[in-house]
Amino acid sequence: DQQVKQNSPSLSVQEGRISILNCDYTNSMFDYFLWYKKYPAEGPTFLISISSIKDKNEDGRFTVFLNKSAKHLSLHIVPSQPGDSAVYFCAASANTGNQFYFGTGTSLTVIP
Amino acid sequence: DVKVTQSSRYLVKRTGEKVFLECVQDMDHENMFWYRQDPGLGLRLIYFSYDVKMKEKGDIPEGYSVSREKKERFSLILESASTNQTSMYLCASSSYLGGAEQYFGPGTRLTVT
Repeated sequence: DQQVKQNSPSLSVQEGRISILNCDYTNSMFDYFLWYKKYPAEGPTFLISISSIKDKNEDGRFTVFLNKSAKHLSLHIVPSQPGDSAVYFCAASANTGNQFYFGTGTSLTVIP
Repeated sequence: DVKVTQSSRYLVKRTGEKVFLECVQDMDHENMFWYRQDPGLGLRLIYFSYDVKMKEKGDIPEGYSVSREKKERFSLILESASTNQTSMYLCASSSYLGGAEQYFGPGTRLTVT
């Protein structure tokens, strides 16, 4: 049973506009969330994280929002650039647990 | 600069062969992980290890085993490869469980014919 879900397999956005990638989770014990970016033929690379004590974390063009009551997080990329075209995975863990649970990924295409 | 390396980028094996996938990290991380990535299924954890000679099953351990004899090296073993094990295999490491980002290797694309 998928505990972390990314319901949009793909997303296309015009360069310069905002990209919003969504992620839902079912386990209320999750308290740490990460976003990874993956280019073809490469391993995922860490992008940004958020702890459940926060509802927002910002790093340059990337912002992650966490809505604990809705068990939902989103990644905003502003402005989107062609180099952002990649597959984005969200992942979640519980501090008392022993593994990360990954979503199925969203393929972002930024159109020049 | 952190580094996780995997022994092969591409591998083709026959059904029934024993397959070894090697992963090495140079960050002195305690924890190492093996995932497989399949279209529409994301990354699924096969096994992980939080210390030398220690291992824990992930979500899909069937058909796989692991070995961690040294802190920097984590091996994934397919005892008798089958076609449904054709996949992208990703190794990762992290400094502690739960609250730390994982660093991934480039992946091994395994094809079993």
